[in-house]
Amino acid sequence: AQSVAQPEDQVNVAEGNPLTVKCTYSVSGNPYLFWYVQYPNRGLQFLLKYITGDNLVKGSYGFEAEFNKSQTSFHLKKPSALVSDSALYFCAVRDTGTASKLTFGTGTRLQVTL
Amino acid sequence: GAGVSQSPSNKVTEKGKDVELRCDPISGHTALYWYRQSLGQGLEFLIYFQGNSAPDKSGLPSDRFSAERTGGSVSTLTIQRTQQEDSAVYLCASSLTPHQSIYNSPLHFGNGTRLTVT
Repeated sequence: AQSVAQPEDQVNVAEGNPLTVKCTYSVSGNPYLFWYVQYPNRGLQFLLKYITGDNLVKGSYGFEAEFNKSQTSFHLKKPSALVSDSALYFCAVRDTGTASKLTFGTGTRLQVTL
Repeated sequence: GAGVSQSPSNKVTEKGKDVELRCDPISGHTALYWYRQSLGQGLEFLIYFQGNSAPDKSGLPSDRFSAERTGGSVSTLTIQRTQQEDSAVYLCASSLTPHQSIYNSPLHFGNGTRLTVT
């Protein structure tokens, strides 16, 4: 069975500081990993994905994520946070062995303050 | 172009009533998903349709829940005899799954239907 863990319910960062939102996963085969963001009263928006290749993936709005196979992690990062980045972030994984559904984590709320 | 459209955006119903939630996926998207998002919870997978294949219903929480997808496009999620624990935001998503990238197509989500059972 595939699963995703987001160990932090909330992350607080000052604007201009780097941010990291953590994600670890468990799959039986090779993982396909995704990050989505949900702004208040909006649907989820795709940020970035890792399929294969370079472990550092760049996505929308200046976000990037690093795939670490040995640590089974896919942490979301941004060098300099903006107040407008405040939102709910979801990590998701799809196992190539059971490709039908995308399994999401419980989400991490990012709060960026001035 | 048009995104995934869900209706109604909000639905308040009395316990024991049946409700139908509608999803119009992006034109040409062959895969359609339903998820449920409860307060303080992550996204709970409900059901997945892919083309003409049998749907993956493994996430439906009880036999009160059912979904269909007519003509490979519009989908309806039906909840019978609603209970208060059914209160949540129901999210629909679709994706384009050409053969070569069936595993890595990102999902496009609608804004959801907020269901409140009183």
